[in-house]
Amino acid sequence: DAKTTQPNSMESNEEEPVHLPCNHSTISGTDYIHWYRQLPSQGPEYVIHGLTSNVNNRMASLAIAEDRKSSTLILHRATLRDAAVYYCILCYNQGGKLIFGQGTELSVKP
Amino acid sequence: KAGVTQTPRYLIKTRGQQVTLSCSPISGHRSVSWYQQTPGQGLQFLFEYFSETQRNKGNFPGRFSGRQFSNSRSEMNVSTLELGDSALYLCASSQMGPSNEKLFFGSGTQLSVL
Repeated sequence: DAKTTQPNSMESNEEEPVHLPCNHSTISGTDYIHWYRQLPSQGPEYVIHGLTSNVNNRMASLAIAEDRKSSTLILHRATLRDAAVYYCILCYNQGGKLIFGQGTELSVKP
Repeated sequence: KAGVTQTPRYLIKTRGQQVTLSCSPISGHRSVSWYQQTPGQGLQFLFEYFSETQRNKGNFPGRFSGRQFSNSRSEMNVSTLELGDSALYLCASSQMGPSNEKLFFGSGTQLSVL
């Protein structure tokens, strides 16, 4: 099975950009890259996903390396509400099996 | 629109018992997937159902099973509970499946096995 590798924790200052990295060197050509975040006592919340091209939405941007072996979630201006555990996930296109990374705990300082 | 509902929220069982957890997806969603979350192993995929058919399964023993009903509601069952089955069990729903769609997660069922 493919796997994802993320740093255990990262720290950011409020209103500064945050770049959360993820390595997925064993990704296959049809695996989607998803990012979710989770607050304590809650289920994960969707952030963004993509296949090959960079993606933008209201919450964040996803930058995918040309060889697809890594990706970066970009929060353009971190707020205190962005403090959470961020999961980088590979989703097999065949059948939708999800492979989770261990998650990066993001703390945001005021 | 109501979100994904999981019941019960908390459950305490003893070793050897069995347990059934329920998940009601968002109206119109036909795919329901289940996940186990523990401090040691993190989030792990259990299985996914679409239109009452299991389409994919994670690496869990046969004691973990599930089913989906015609109204898309899903249940998962764990038989012969072990201490290591203590975990937060999450379900998620989407219209067609996890691969190219956003998933909507419930708040989970916290299972404690004594």
